[in-house]
Amino acid sequence: EVQLVESGGGLVKPGESLRLSCVASGFTFVSAWFTWVRQAPGKRPEWVGRIKRNTENAETDFAAPVRDRFIISRDDSKDTVYLQMNNLKTEDTAVYYCTSENWGRAEFWGQGALVTVSS
Amino acid sequence: EIVLTQSPDTLSLSPGERATLSCRASQSVDSTFLAWYQQKPGQAPRPLIYATSNRATGIPDRFSGSGSGTDFTLTIDRLQPEDFAVYYCQEYHDSPPSWTFGQGTRVDIK
Repeated sequence: EVQLVESGGGLVKPGESLRLSCVASGFTFVSAWFTWVRQAPGKRPEWVGRIKRNTENAETDFAAPVRDRFIISRDDSKDTVYLQMNNLKTEDTAVYYCTSENWGRAEFWGQGALVTVSS
Repeated sequence: EIVLTQSPDTLSLSPGERATLSCRASQSVDSTFLAWYQQKPGQAPRPLIYATSNRATGIPDRFSGSGSGTDFTLTIDRLQPEDFAVYYCQEYHDSPPSWTFGQGTRVDIK
C-alpha cells in the first residue's frame, strides 16, 4: 500500500521558518518525482513545487509566490522529501500535501500538514 | 499562465442522476496532462481521471472523462451518495513547469 505521511506543520509567526517532512512507503522512492500542493481554507489546491529524481540531479521547480523562499530536497536513504519554508507570510497559511507526481498529475497524496502563519 | 474555469460552481442533483462538469482552459491543453480529482471535507483530493479519459486505480466506471483542446468534461453516471463532493480539474504544462487547478464544482444533494 502506498503511503505518504507528512509531519512538521504548526503555528509560526510571519518571517519565521518551518520544515515539513514527507515519508513515503509502498513504492520505489528513488524513481519518483514528488510535488507539494497546498490548499488554503476554502480555496482550490495550488501547486507549490516539485523535485525530480536524484538521477535527474534532483532538479526543482517552484511556483512564483514561493520561489526564492521555499526549498525542496530529498533523502533517498530515508525515503523522505522535505519542504523548507523560509520567510513565511500570512498568505502561506494552508494545508500542505505531499504527492507523488506521475506525468504531470498527483498520483498519490498524503493526509496533509496544516501550516498557520499568524502574529 | 493557463487559467482553468469550471462550470457550474454548484450542481444540485438527486442520487441516480447524471452529473456533467465542465472545465474550460484559457489556452489549449495537452490532453495527456489534464486530470480530475474529487475532494470531500477534511480529506485530501482523490485522483479520479488522468490524461483526460483514463480512470485512476479503483475508480468505478460511472466516472468518465472526455475533451480536447480547451474544453474538458467529467461525467458521473448514476450518482451515488458518496459522489457528493467537490471536483477539481488540473492541468500541467512545461516551460516553465507549473500546475493549475480549476476553482472546483460542488456536487450536492438536491
